Amino acid sequence: DAKTTQPTSMDCAEGRAANLPCNHSTISGNEYVYWYRQIHSQGPQYIIHGLKNNETNEMASLIITEDRKSSTLILPHATLRDTAVYYCIVSGKAAGNKLTFGGGTRVLVKP
Amino acid sequence: KAGVTQTPRYLIKTRGQQVTLSCSPISGHRSVSWYQQTPGQGLQFLFEYFSETQRNKGNFPGRFSGRQFSNSRSEMNVSTLELGDSALYLCASSSQGVTWRGEKLFFGSGTQLSVL
Repeated sequence: DAKTTQPTSMDCAEGRAANLPCNHSTISGNEYVYWYRQIHSQGPQYIIHGLKNNETNEMASLIITEDRKSSTLILPHATLRDTAVYYCIVSGKAAGNKLTFGGGTRVLVKP
Repeated sequence: KAGVTQTPRYLIKTRGQQVTLSCSPISGHRSVSWYQQTPGQGLQFLFEYFSETQRNKGNFPGRFSGRQFSNSRSEMNVSTLELGDSALYLCASSSQGVTWRGEKLFFGSGTQLSVL
C-alpha cells in the first residue's frame, strides 16, 4: 500500500471549514483513498473515500488532485464534535482487506 | 441496523493469564478484522476472518489467535498475557472484505484491556 503523510496536528475555529491535507505520492492507479476519524477512546469512524473523482457526502468532501498524489478532506462547518484524530489511508489489492493506519492528524476545533 | 458490537468494554487481567474478546459484526457482513491500538504503536492490524477462514494476518506473535463462527461472529484470544498487551482491541466488519475495491470498514467501540 502507498504510504501517506499528514500534518501531526491542526486547529480549526468552530463554524469554519477545516481543510486536512494528505500526501500519497506513491499511490497506484487502482488504490483508493480513505478517510477515517477517531474520537477519543472510540473506534474509527468512516468518513469518505474516493478513487479519482472528488466525492461529497453528508459529512465531508474529498478533493483528489488530478495526478492523485495528494488529497484534501474538507469539513465544511466544523463543530466541537469534530475534534478527533483524522486518518488518511490508501488501500490497494496487495494488502487485501487490511487498512494501514499512520499517525493521523489531531484536529482540535476551538470555540 | 445494529453496529459492530464488542464485549466486554473493559477488562483487567494479570500477567500470564489468557483472555477472550468477542465481536458481533453488522448483520450480513462476512468479514471481520481485528486491530490493536496502543499509544506507542498506534493502530495495527492483527488478522482478518472471512467465512470462518483466516484470510490475512498481521505481524503479531502466535499468542494472538482468533476464530470466526458460521454466523460471522468472531473471537480473539490472547494467551500468556504480557504487560505490553495492554491496549484497545478493535473489531471491524465489512460485507465482502474488499476495502481495496472501495468497501467501507465499520468499527466497534473496542475492548480496553489492561494487564497488571
